Amino acid sequence: TQLLEQSPQFLSIQEGENLTVYCNSSSVFSSLQWYRQEPGEGPVLLVTVVTGGEVKKLKRLTFQFGDARKDSSLHITAAQPGDTGLYLCAGAGRDDKIIFGKGTRLHILP
Amino acid sequence: DSGVTQTPKHLITATGQRVTLRCSPRSGDLSVYWYQQSLDQGLQFLIQYYNGEERAKGNILERFSAQQFPDLHSELNLSSLELGDSALYFCASSVGDRPEAFFGQGTRLTVV
Repeated sequence: TQLLEQSPQFLSIQEGENLTVYCNSSSVFSSLQWYRQEPGEGPVLLVTVVTGGEVKKLKRLTFQFGDARKDSSLHITAAQPGDTGLYLCAGAGRDDKIIFGKGTRLHILP
Repeated sequence: DSGVTQTPKHLITATGQRVTLRCSPRSGDLSVYWYQQSLDQGLQFLIQYYNGEERAKGNILERFSAQQFPDLHSELNLSSLELGDSALYFCASSVGDRPEAFFGQGTRLTVV
């Protein structure tokens, strides 16, 4: 069974600090997506990474795809309270089934 | 606003009943996905339709079924409902067969 494991499950840090969250698998994915979900809302797509080793930046968010395309990380610089939310990674597995990790619940304290 | 519309927003029903959830994808999107989200299981992929045809199947129970109509809107039918079916149900759509998807705001189903 293909799985995406996200760590940490929960993270609570002070405004202004940096953080990194991870999305790992033993399987190769052709691409991985990162989403952010706020309470009562649907996930919102942040980025797709496709090429092994690829780095994409979205303002203070930096996404990296592992060289072997089995893992990805999200680094946030100088976290803001508006970054609070559930961060989900997802990928298309075998048979085109979309697999989501269980997410990292991030809370930024003002 | 993602452009994906789901109705109803909330639904409360009794065990054993049947409900239909509706989804209108973004204009031009051919793929529709259905997901179930519960606190303990996270976001679970149920099924994908592409231009009216079933494209991929996930952890969808036999009591659940879906279809995509010629106008590309989709319905998810849940029958013989159990307490454990209480969850948020999301619809998402994407351009062509790409995995990047835009989600609706979900339908919160409560089975009592």
